[in-house]
Amino acid sequence: DAGVIQSPRHEVTEMGQEVTLRCKPISGHDYLFWYRQTMMRGLELLIYFNNNVPIDDSGMPEDRFSAKMPNASFSTLKIQPSEPRDSAVYFCASSSDREQYGYTFGSGTRLTVV
Amino acid sequence: SQKIEQNSEALNIQEGKTATLTCNYTNYSPAYLQWYRQDPGRGPVFLLLIRENEKEKRKERLKVTFDTTLKQSLFHITASQPADSATYLCALHTGGFKTIFGAGTRLFVKA
Repeated sequence: DAGVIQSPRHEVTEMGQEVTLRCKPISGHDYLFWYRQTMMRGLELLIYFNNNVPIDDSGMPEDRFSAKMPNASFSTLKIQPSEPRDSAVYFCASSSDREQYGYTFGSGTRLTVV
Repeated sequence: SQKIEQNSEALNIQEGKTATLTCNYTNYSPAYLQWYRQDPGRGPVFLLLIRENEKEKRKERLKVTFDTTLKQSLFHITASQPADSATYLCALHTGGFKTIFGAGTRLFVKA
């Protein structure tokens, strides 16, 4: 398996623009997570899905952020409009039996909003 | 408030020695705790999980302890190698499928 695949790896955008981050989880994993990592706040859980259904989105910072999982092999995280304080590395992770294998993370998308 | 604390300063050790990293937490009663390794520009990689009823767990050169009374986990790497240099994150399961990560400790192993 190629692991969790995220795209793009890097994104530079201007303030006010819409940004869409993409994730393909590992086949067979029924949980999918979006995390954000910054130097100041570390890794923060934004939202997670179980069987494509959003379970907990309490970490989503504002209404500007939205996430979808239309099927078991694809998820998006959208920021509209983007702001400089959204600059961070965004990770997607998936899991099945977390007590055995923990979470498998993608390589992340480094977002810079100028 | 709930808090996870890891050594904020980097840990520098000599090759061959044992590295010990600390994870302390407050106001949680986690059912289990995980340790991850993160290299620059990469996502965290799962290493070990220890449950609240387990005192110690080992995997090759790695050993994790979990003291629910002290609210502390220790992560040991024996016979450390330069390739072990990375940031190590502890993570607590806080209910449902929610996992909270510590800020991580950077480890440097000198040859």
